Amino acid sequence: DIQMTQSPSSLSASVGDRVTITCRASQSISGYLNWYQHNPGKAPKLLIYAASSLQSGVPSRFSGSGSGTDFTLTISSLRPEDFATYYCQQTYSTPTWTFGQGTKVEIK
Amino acid sequence: EVQLVESGGGLVQPGGSLRLSCAASGFTLSYYWMHWVRQGPGKGLVWVARINPDGRSTSYADSVKGRFTISRDNAKNTLYLQMNSLRAEDTAVYYCARLGSSGWNLFDAWGQGALVTVSS
Repeated sequence: DIQMTQSPSSLSASVGDRVTITCRASQSISGYLNWYQHNPGKAPKLLIYAASSLQSGVPSRFSGSGSGTDFTLTISSLRPEDFATYYCQQTYSTPTWTFGQGTKVEIK
Repeated sequence: EVQLVESGGGLVQPGGSLRLSCAASGFTLSYYWMHWVRQGPGKGLVWVARINPDGRSTSYADSVKGRFTISRDNAKNTLYLQMNSLRAEDTAVYYCARLGSSGWNLFDAWGQGALVTVSS
């Protein structure tokens, strides 16, 4: 299986900060990389697909980049509703689409 | 509004069985591949199983193969996960998820999850 490694595992930030989360694949996955936001007790939410495409309805402060093995999710200016856990997911290797271990974004 | 609602979770003893349901509304279930994903306590998301639109093709994670069965009743707009021979490590919140129809592999709708606890 393709392993996905996110860094950091957690971070503390303030409203208005620029936040960057990294996801690394154990082998090349081209651009088959999605990002999700998850709050406890709620349904995960798709933010970015195909590494850099913004899902409809998602605020433009979220952006994604990368290809091959290294990917980045950036939140340009953190808002209170953005404090959550973020997961990357590779969909290159069907059917086992693995997720990263998650990055928890906490309030500083 | 697209909605997925899981039910059927609960406490079960090791070796026991449980069936989860995922009721779909706001879209035609029969058009979509559907998946189950789980999250163990303090852990990340893990893909569990998938099923094609007509129910004839399924795939499973190695950790559940031979014990779990994914199925669907399109007439009832409902997805299922039959879980047998449950183990402590199956304790998790189980989410159903819809595979989007954009051509890209992405989960564009999720339920809020059903908690399954395997313990004696």
